[in-house]
Formats: sequence, C-alpha cells, structure tokens
Amino acid sequence: QLVLTQSPSASASLGGSVRLTCILSSGHNDYTIAWHQQQPQKGPRYLMTVNSDGSHTKGDGIPDRFSGSSSGAERYLIISSLQSEDEADYYCQTWGTAEWVFGGGTKVTVL
Amino acid sequence: EVQLVESGGGLVQPGGSLRLSCIASGFTFSSYWMHWVRQAPGKGLVWVARISSDGRVTDYADSVKGRFTISRENAKNTLRLQMNSLRGEDTAVYYCARDLDPNIYWGQGTLVTVSS
Repeated sequence: QLVLTQSPSASASLGGSVRLTCILSSGHNDYTIAWHQQQPQKGPRYLMTVNSDGSHTKGDGIPDRFSGSSSGAERYLIISSLQSEDEADYYCQTWGTAEWVFGGGTKVTVL
Repeated sequence: EVQLVESGGGLVQPGGSLRLSCIASGFTFSSYWMHWVRQAPGKGLVWVARISSDGRVTDYADSVKGRFTISRENAKNTLRLQMNSLRGEDTAVYYCARDLDPNIYWGQGTLVTVSS
C-alpha cells in the first residue's frame, strides 16, 4: 500500500533553514512526489516535484530558497532563509494507480 | 494566469445533496486531468476523485464511491462534483485541482457543512 509519512511538526529560527521529510512506503522508493504549502486560512499552493534521483522542478514563482532533494525512500523539502510567511503546513503528495496520495502534513513554525 | 474558482458549497442536512462547480481559466481545460480534494476542519488534505481530460475515466476514494459523481463540461471549462447521501464526515473545504503538467494548480476552496 502506498503511504506517505511526514513528521507532524518542525520549527526553525527566522532566517534559518529547515528540512522537511516525506517517507515513501516500502516498495515505492522510485516514486516522484510533489510538495504543497498551505498558509493559514488559505488553499494549498504547489511548490515543486522531487524525483527519486534528487532532481526537482519548482512551480511558477517559487523562490530560490525552496529546494528539494532525495535519498532512498525519503524526499526532502529544504527551506532556507526562513521568513515569517513560511509558517505554514506542508504536504507531500504522490500519484497512486488511480488516485493522489497525501502525507499527513508537517506544520512549520518560524521562531 | 491559471485560475480555478469553486462554488456551490453550503449547509446541507445529512442525507441531502449538493453540487459543487469549479470554473477554470488561463489554460486549455480540455487537456488536463482534474481532481477534487477535501480538507475537514483542522485536518489534512484527502483526495476525493479524479476525471480524465475527456471525461471518460473517473476514479473515487472508497469513502465517497457510490455517493459522489465527478464530471466535466469542457465546452464551459467547468468541473463538477455531485454529492449525494451526504454525511457529517463529508464536512470539509472542497478544492478542485489541475494535475501536473508542468504545475499543479489549486482553487481557493468551497466549504461544505453537513449538519442538522
């Protein structure tokens, strides 16, 4: 069964950096995932896709301080130079046989 | 500019029906698979349904299968979700989304509340 696992929360200081992790279930190491940001009281916003080789493709207008990487079954979203507006929920998502599958989301707090 | 605008949400009693719409602009609607995703209050994103670009293929989450119907009218750039036999657990903000190529786009959502 295709499952994405995310830590519930993460925090980092203003101006610092944070790395979020999305873990693919066993047997799905080669899957591409997408990252989405959801700021408080807003709809989701697509950030990027991250492939199994670590390459990533960002969405329109996504700042350079957002990047992605990969290691085995883990897909990462790295946010550098954290700003207050980065405080949000972040969801990873992938493509199943006939559906989208979401992780549970990680709430990022900017200290 | 790509835009997806949902409408049709509201308060409905358990067992009732509601039809959501999503009007697309800024891209060739008929070329893309489309999805509905929902988010219960304080919870995460959950995929609901998808439809192929030509409308011939549809898929549903088990939780809504047999109760919800996704459809599209490409001539009107419109995606719909017919929701029947609504339950309290269907209470959520419903988002329409365009599948990847090369970006995924989301609407702003419409709130559905199922309550007596």
